Amino acid sequence: DVKVTQSSRYLVKRTGEKVFLECVQDMDHENMFWYRQDPGLGLRLIYFSYDVKMKEKGDIPEGYSVSREKKERFSLILESASTNQTSMYLCATRDRVGTDTQYFGPGTRLTVL
Amino acid sequence: QKEVEQNSGPLSVPEGAIASLNCTYSDRGSQSFFWYRQYSGKSPELIMFIYSNGDKEDGRFTAQLNKASQYVSLLIRDSQPSDSATYLCAVRRPGGYNKLIFGAGTRLAVHP
Repeated sequence: DVKVTQSSRYLVKRTGEKVFLECVQDMDHENMFWYRQDPGLGLRLIYFSYDVKMKEKGDIPEGYSVSREKKERFSLILESASTNQTSMYLCATRDRVGTDTQYFGPGTRLTVL
Repeated sequence: QKEVEQNSGPLSVPEGAIASLNCTYSDRGSQSFFWYRQYSGKSPELIMFIYSNGDKEDGRFTAQLNKASQYVSLLIRDSQPSDSATYLCAVRRPGGYNKLIFGAGTRLAVHP
């Protein structure tokens, strides 16, 4: 079974703080993704990584950066948190073999005050 | 126009009925289509994928794809209260790395 874990289920931060969200997978998948999910907007891709140290912007990268120093770990960084970044953040990994499926972590609900 | 559109619902069906969930997409080059189920407070989980025109059945679930009309649907037969969830349609963009575009989801409520 694919296991994708995220560092926190709930997080409360203040405006202007630097925030780190971490995602770890145990299936040796090359591709990893960060999404945010907001009511009425669905899941939107922030960044993805197709290999260690490789990254590409998704649809809404502004205000975010990412880091992938090891294959199993993909971090999302909010350089200076703002209230409009209050959201559910979901990490996913991609299985390139077989069904080409994305597997999601449990999510982190971030509130920025 | 959104790239992937779904009716937000809620779609309310009685237990035992067929639930029909629809999704339209705008990019004719899209090739792979996925249905995810998301229970309240949980993360999405894949329930079906379809790549070719026609129907694909898996247990009580049937995915239907019509590329000419640019729609994909999910039928759930013999609906159960445990099927109550939000169903997300996702479409793979042409190109690499399996970048998926998600619809906003349809909330399904199955009542006893």
